[in-house]
Amino acid sequence: ILNVEQSPQSLHVQEGDSTNFTCSFPSSNFYALHWYRWETAKSPEALFVMTLNGDEKKKGRISATLNTKEGYSYLYIKGSQPEDSATYLCAISGTYKYIFGTGTRLKVLA
Amino acid sequence: DAGITQSPRHKVTETGTPVTLRCHQTENHRYMYWYRQDPGHGLRLIHYSYGVKDTDKGEVSDGYSVSRSKTEDFLLTLESATSSQTSVYFCAISETGRSSSGANVLTFGAGSRLTVL
Repeated sequence: ILNVEQSPQSLHVQEGDSTNFTCSFPSSNFYALHWYRWETAKSPEALFVMTLNGDEKKKGRISATLNTKEGYSYLYIKGSQPEDSATYLCAISGTYKYIFGTGTRLKVLA
Repeated sequence: DAGITQSPRHKVTETGTPVTLRCHQTENHRYMYWYRQDPGHGLRLIHYSYGVKDTDKGEVSDGYSVSRSKTEDFLLTLESATSSQTSVYFCAISETGRSSSGANVLTFGAGSRLTVL
């Protein structure tokens, strides 16, 4: 059974701080790594999907990197804002099956 | 917009009663999924479908069955609901062409909150 682990489980940061979270996954049988943003009472929304070792993706103040050889991905948020408060989910996928981690719950304090 | 509709959005039922949740999509996507969300567990896959009448189990399939008689509808059935099945259920479809990497991306419905008393 493939296991995706995310850390930390939750964190609080002050507005303006930069932060990062980790997603660890088995480096074999890997096809794609996904990051989703999940706001309370809404459904998860795709942020990034990466497939190649060394991939880097960026969307505004949020960026992600991928290391497939050692089996981890980092998500970075620069200058956190209260609207960044959400749960950030990581998932790995084969061609059609997706396995999710339990998420990192971020709270940005104004 | 993947056009995913889940129904009902909210349901309260009693232990032992059957419950069916419906997921409807408008764009003929082949792959459809049912996940449940519980605190401390994130999203766990219940069942998925890779075509009409083609389904397979996920990691938490016990107590659930699914059916897909049409491309656009994926039904999740709890034959005899238990309190442990109180959860929020998300349907998802796998979309091609949404990422520059070529990998498929999951798009989720709005969720169905089920409470089993």
